[in-house]
Amino acid sequence: SQQGEEDPQALSIQEGENATMNCSYKTSINNLQWYRQNSGRGLVHLILIRSNEREKHSGRLRVTLDTSKKSSSLLITASRAADTASYFCATDFNAGGTSYGKLTFGQGTILTVHP
Amino acid sequence: EAGVVQSPRYKIIEKKQPVAFWCNPISGHNTLYWYRQNLGQGPELLIRYENEEAVDDSQLPKDRFSAERLKGVDSTLKIQPAELGDSAVYLCASSYDAYGYTFGSGTRLTVV
Repeated sequence: SQQGEEDPQALSIQEGENATMNCSYKTSINNLQWYRQNSGRGLVHLILIRSNEREKHSGRLRVTLDTSKKSSSLLITASRAADTASYFCATDFNAGGTSYGKLTFGQGTILTVHP
Repeated sequence: EAGVVQSPRYKIIEKKQPVAFWCNPISGHNTLYWYRQNLGQGPELLIRYENEEAVDDSQLPKDRFSAERLKGVDSTLKIQPAELGDSAVYLCASSYDAYGYTFGSGTRLTVV
């Protein structure tokens, strides 16, 4: 079963604009990760944010985590056509402080960046 | 570093036939995962190995799916017999700990 839900399901923007994707989840987590998947390819790890962190940056990526609302957002600034892909959030379930090492993925957001 | 290597890249088989997928994880990664990704969905875990031991196979349809991890390194996932609903991308991933996952490119299975 899929724990996370991404919103929106699809996002279409112009190059140079910012793209924001949201993820909601249901249970306590150890960490939350974002992945990118180009069509027909495997998943590429983008960024990991731990449950005790609220914001993290990596290049043009900014991730926030609100554990009280069980939600996260991924912001891609100054988007490029090469950012066109599907983006997934994945949560690592937490039981008593122990990571299960099992990622549960959402259904993904399809991002299209037009040149 | 070669990354996680999967083969074959694509496979088309007729229903009721057997099929096997192979995964070579990153050297030194003790944890190996098999995920299945249906079209338009996120991946779902089938089985997780810690070294040679399958520690989570609750989502593996054991009537037709089997998996093994030889000497705690390479792994194979088998389906016998395949059904139309098994058409999906089968992804292998490995990690050294619970924080650094690396995925392979996947095997796209089409059952006709």
